[in-house]
Amino acid sequence: AQTVTQSQPEMSVQEAETVTLSCTYDTSESDYYLFWYKQPPSRQMILVIRQEAYKQQNATENRFSVNFQKAAKSFSLKISDSQLGDAAMYFCAYRSAGTYKYIFGTGTRLKVLA
Amino acid sequence: GAVVSQHPSRVICKSGTSVKIECRSLDFQATTMFWYRQFPKQSLMLMATSNEGSKATYEQGVEKDKFLINHASLTLSTLTVTSAHPEDSSFYICSARDLWGEDTEAFFGQGTRLTVV
Repeated sequence: AQTVTQSQPEMSVQEAETVTLSCTYDTSESDYYLFWYKQPPSRQMILVIRQEAYKQQNATENRFSVNFQKAAKSFSLKISDSQLGDAAMYFCAYRSAGTYKYIFGTGTRLKVLA
Repeated sequence: GAVVSQHPSRVICKSGTSVKIECRSLDFQATTMFWYRQFPKQSLMLMATSNEGSKATYEQGVEKDKFLINHASLTLSTLTVTSAHPEDSSFYICSARDLWGEDTEAFFGQGTRLTVV
């Protein structure tokens, strides 16, 4: 069975600084997708970034980028120029290629300090 | 992106009663929808996969007689919590995949906060 691990329950970053959230996963599959979701106090799940396992190039979306290390099964999220609006719970998620059901990590609460 | 809507967003019910939560795909069709449960300050745990026109598939440990799922059309799945108890109080979130789309991700509803008193 696949598992997703987020070892940082909480992180803090100064506004305008950079922060990296860690995620590791375990799978025996070769074809899968990885995601980072943001969950603000409203509890709405917001997609931050996605990565296809077959792509070697790390995904980027504006201030958000990932460091995808397939062999190490690591998928970290880097947030550059942190903004107050980035404060939220961040979940790392995995899905197999053949399904759209997700396996989520335990989450990291990000605090942004003014 | 596509929109998934849940209703109600909040519901309070008395212990022993049943409550129905709706999950609708507003601008796309979905043969498969997923129901998750999130306890306070915890992660989302998949409860079941809702399949249009057929029985839902439940994850291990989820009581199918307690959490009834119906997926009668390509745009609507419902989760009914039967004989609710305070321990069923939780945040329930659905997601759906666009049947004809090319998106790699599923789309999430805004969630339903259930409180059983």
